[in-house]
Amino acid sequence: AQSVTQLGSHVSVSEGALVLLRCNYSSSVPPYLFWYVQYPNQGLQLLLKYTSAATLVKGINGFEAEFKKSETSFHLTKPSAHMSDAAEYFCAVSSFGDMRFGAGTRLTVKP
Amino acid sequence: ETGVTQTPRHLVMGMTNKKSLKCEQHLGHNAMYWYKQSAKKPLELMFVYSLEERVENNSVPSRFSPECPNSSHLFLHLHTLQPEDSALYLCASSQDWGNEQFFGPGTRLTVL
Repeated sequence: AQSVTQLGSHVSVSEGALVLLRCNYSSSVPPYLFWYVQYPNQGLQLLLKYTSAATLVKGINGFEAEFKKSETSFHLTKPSAHMSDAAEYFCAVSSFGDMRFGAGTRLTVKP
Repeated sequence: ETGVTQTPRHLVMGMTNKKSLKCEQHLGHNAMYWYKQSAKKPLELMFVYSLEERVENNSVPSRFSPECPNSSHLFLHLHTLQPEDSALYLCASSQDWGNEQFFGPGTRLTVL
C-alpha cells in the first residue's frame, strides 16, 4: 500500500522567507504526486502535480516541488512567503486509482 | 456553475434527524468521492464512485449512505448521526479514478 508522510504539522516563516514543506512517500510503483492547499472554510485546491515527466514541477502562486526518487521525497518550496500563503497544505500520492493524502502541514506567515 | 458545488454549506442537525448532502460536478468527470475532514485528523476517504458504481467503501458506518444517480451528482444521506460525526464533508471529482481530484467547498456539519 502506498502512503505519504508530511514532516511537521506546523511550519512558521516570516514574510519574504523561504517556504519549505516536506513530503515523503512510499509506493511500490512509480507514483503520481500532488500538493493541495486548503484555505479556511474551503475545499482543497490543486497547487501542482508530478506525473513522471519533469522532476521539477512548477505550480500556481509561485510554488514548485521536486521529485527525488532516491529520497522518495516531493518537497514543496516557494522562494518568498507572502501573507496570503497562510493555509494548510496536503501532499498526496496516487497509483492504480488509489490516492492517499498526508496529514497536512499548517503554514503560518509572520509579518 | 463551474467546478464542484456542494449544498448546503452549513448544516446543523439533531441525532434523530435525517438529512442529505448534495454534490454536483460540472467538469464532465467520471469519478466522485466523499471525504470526512475532522479537526486534527487526516483527511478520511469515505466513498468512491467510478462511472456511477461504488468502487471503494472504507468501513464507513451505515448511518452514512451514499447515492450516485449519475456521473454528475453524488449524495450522502445521513440518519441517526452521533456528535463525533461533526466535521467538514468534502466532495471531489476526477476525470478517472486516481487522477487529480477537484474539490468542492465542503459542508460543515454539526450534530447536536
